Amino acid sequence: QSVLTQPPSASGTPGQTVTISCSGSTSNVGSKYVYWYQHLPGRAPQLLIYNNNQRPSGVPDRFSGAKSGTSASLAISGLRAEDEADYYCAARDDILSGSVFGGGTKLTVL
Amino acid sequence: QVQLVQSGAEVKKPGASVKVSCKTSGYIFSKYYIHWVRQAPGQGLEWMGVINPDGAGTTYSQMFKGRVTMTRDTSTSTFYMELRSLKSDDVGTYYCARAARDSAGYDPDLAYWGQGTLVTVSS
Repeated sequence: QSVLTQPPSASGTPGQTVTISCSGSTSNVGSKYVYWYQHLPGRAPQLLIYNNNQRPSGVPDRFSGAKSGTSASLAISGLRAEDEADYYCAARDDILSGSVFGGGTKLTVL
Repeated sequence: QVQLVQSGAEVKKPGASVKVSCKTSGYIFSKYYIHWVRQAPGQGLEWMGVINPDGAGTTYSQMFKGRVTMTRDTSTSTFYMELRSLKSDDVGTYYCARAARDSAGYDPDLAYWGQGTLVTVSS
């Protein structure tokens, strides 16, 4: 059970906007940067968002991150079939004295 | 270009140790922290720890503390993760990953990943 809580699943139809939440506490999300990853089966995870809301070069602007208090979110707009994957948030945690990943959200494109 | 190339799959018996390597190239070795992340079958990503290549300071997840050691060899630009007293729960794919920015410090800001090393624990 991770200290970063994500819904286990999410879904949407092509073209829709889907939002995935990541709930933490003051020792992690509330005081640290949040990162988001996309993980496709058989591949290495890919960084989608860093420093709460920044996109690395090459990541489409359909992906956006936000943070408010002890919660963060990843929004995917203009949903595409290729977005079907597992999504993870991550952050440092002062109490754990290390980093932590959320439990992951499996996104299904209907 | 930045590359992280990991060692091949391992099969170990319960109680044994495994040492996974991660050979890096294409960047200044001493500037970027390396993290290790595990994914057990059907499970999520699990952060194991991080090593600072400049001085070899480490921080380990409490889940693995006492069983894991992360080291680096500056002469070959290679990082190592050794996990001891293997259990069936340790089956999974182990990744090394490099920080995206040299300012990332210990943050899980991981832009470059190795291809993963599958570790099987079986008697």
